[in-house]
Amino acid sequence: ETGVTQTPRHLVMGMTNKKSLKCEQHLGHNAMYWYKQSAKKPLELMFVYNFKEQTENNSVPSRFSPECPNSSHLFLHLHTLQPEDSALYLCASSQDSSGGAETQYFGPGTRLLVL
Amino acid sequence: GQNIDQPTEMTATEGAIVQINCTYQTSGFNGLFWYQQHAGEAPTFLSYNVLDGLEEKGRFSSFLSRSKGYSYLLLKELQMKDSASYLCAVLDSNYQLIWGAGTKLIIKP
Repeated sequence: ETGVTQTPRHLVMGMTNKKSLKCEQHLGHNAMYWYKQSAKKPLELMFVYNFKEQTENNSVPSRFSPECPNSSHLFLHLHTLQPEDSALYLCASSQDSSGGAETQYFGPGTRLLVL
Repeated sequence: GQNIDQPTEMTATEGAIVQINCTYQTSGFNGLFWYQQHAGEAPTFLSYNVLDGLEEKGRFSSFLSRSKGYSYLLLKELQMKDSASYLCAVLDSNYQLIWGAGTKLIIKP
């Protein structure tokens, strides 16, 4: 199943760099999500977009900046990150996020290392 | 607060049966999901339970008891490819997904 793709798969960046993560879904969904996954910790929801509008921002630091130009694409812009931001960043999509038990479909993630 | 508990790691033998438990305390309940995640790969949907009882899907079954705040995932006839992490997640009253930390399942020959 390659319904949700993410690039790059791996990223190493310094604390002063600026980089962007890209997510694309080919499932015709209207909701997209960014999650952070750290070892042995629950998935942390970062942002939710529904029909291109941001509906959730889980107190994420401003060094993470999302962008959703359309229902199929989601970006996460990164700048001046900290070493503790090193993690797997997962993108997911669902039919919508306005309520109801929608199954989320995940991309393979971007493994980020901040030096 | 909201909490999902599941064992950190389990080991089982190829061909055997394993049960992965998940207990939850959440503000409301609108269903429970199980996902499978192989190392370095995307979590993939396994099951969704919203009513009490057992749902069987091939070698995998998922059970829910809402009164006990408890679910389990049962894997039969284990295969080496079942080595993965299994994530439990609950939809709360606001339809927010609350995730457990996952159970790493190691299958030995």
